[in-house]
Amino acid sequence: ETGVTQTPRHLVMGMTNKKSLKCEQHLGHNAMYWYKQSAKKPLELMFVYNFKEQTENNSVPSRFSPECPNSSHLFLHLHTLQPEDSALYLCASSQDRWGGPTDTQYFGPGTRLTVL
Amino acid sequence: DAKTTQPTSMDCAEGRAANLPCNHSTISGNEYVYWYRQIHSQGPQYIIHGLKNNETNEMASLIITEDRKSSTLILPHATLRDTAVYYCIVRDTGANSKLTFGKGITLSVRP
Repeated sequence: ETGVTQTPRHLVMGMTNKKSLKCEQHLGHNAMYWYKQSAKKPLELMFVYNFKEQTENNSVPSRFSPECPNSSHLFLHLHTLQPEDSALYLCASSQDRWGGPTDTQYFGPGTRLTVL
Repeated sequence: DAKTTQPTSMDCAEGRAANLPCNHSTISGNEYVYWYRQIHSQGPQYIIHGLKNNETNEMASLIITEDRKSSTLILPHATLRDTAVYYCIVRDTGANSKLTFGKGITLSVRP
């Protein structure tokens, strides 16, 4: 596998379910990101991790819980979601967060989430 | 607080060069110009970035005007697979800077 992978690619869940999205990067990067892209809206940054430490949380509701066990893996745990949380969830990685060209982000294919 | 302005859409013929314009008249000296594209329902794909000089890679060329207030992304030989939304983004060179996606320009490559 190369680049940034995400599983599952599609997920349908009820409002009472608990599910997790997984992201894995094979680029040797140290920073990882979760974005949300709702229909007809620009990408919204949700969380940022740098060297396994969370450095940004952009006022994301607590029903979204990120986890970064190591620099290669990032999870987004979902529970009691609402239908308006249906969106494309994108993971990205960059070498670091220190600015300059090493901060270039590379994205995964996304997980299309539908909440019923 | 959009930092870039792009046309809503454009099209070009397959095999011809696609020139995608972007205005960033308020860009500061410590901001990069980045280009990404997003094919329908897929993750954004990094294309190229530049600071002051023109840049070229295997995907595209980036031409930045001398005053840095505008730039053009050039796909030299567009194919049908280049049909996508292209985002021009201005990003600070400093640490922890954000990558802010706007609406982008929809490029349609016709046969």
